[in-house]
Amino acid sequence: NAGVTQTPKFRVLKTGQSMTLLCAQDMNHEYMYWYRQDPGMGLRLIHYSVGEGTTAKGEVPDGYNVSRLKKQNFLLGLESAAPSQTSVYFCASSNEMNTEAFFGQGTRLTVV
Amino acid sequence: KNQVEQSPQSLIILEGKNCTLQCNYTVSPFSNLRWYKQDTGRGPVSLTIMTFSENTKSNGRYTATLDADTKQSSLHITASQLSDSASYICVVRERANDYKLSFGAGTTVTVRA
Repeated sequence: NAGVTQTPKFRVLKTGQSMTLLCAQDMNHEYMYWYRQDPGMGLRLIHYSVGEGTTAKGEVPDGYNVSRLKKQNFLLGLESAAPSQTSVYFCASSNEMNTEAFFGQGTRLTVV
Repeated sequence: KNQVEQSPQSLIILEGKNCTLQCNYTVSPFSNLRWYKQDTGRGPVSLTIMTFSENTKSNGRYTATLDADTKQSSLHITASQLSDSASYICVVRERANDYKLSFGAGTTVTVRA
């Protein structure tokens, strides 16, 4: 009964460091998404994927890369972290484009 | 400018009382509107969904209404419980533009005993 699982839950990075956030879903969904959530703002789409091997840019893609090598996994990478990337990151999945999305529990990232 | 505006930003209510949250949107053309509940430290969970032809949808003590003409929606919480303390997010799906989702910033509800 896992749904969407994100790892890690928390992370502190120094400016310039890199890291990868992992998202795994067990619902056989085709569509997966990465969002960031900042205080006072709505969730903003970073990148999304409409199926294994495909990715596309969302609203705020700069500074991030993604990969979808397996249907159940969607990875979000930060090559050179910046303080502006301090945020809470949510992964989500759905069975059709932007229908009911099931969210992970979030990753709180702080870049110092 | 955000296409989905929610009000109030936050509110505090006593346990057992009712409250109403507002969502105004400018998204057009409009496909559907969904309300999510987000507990602290968790991801959002869907509460209700309404298409442009629906006026109201209930989920237990939560009732959402929609006026597509004025582009307004509300979420009414009846007989609030401590577990209703959360952020409530309004999300509008476009009918075009790859069914783009626009998220409101949310209303934080605190229920006190």
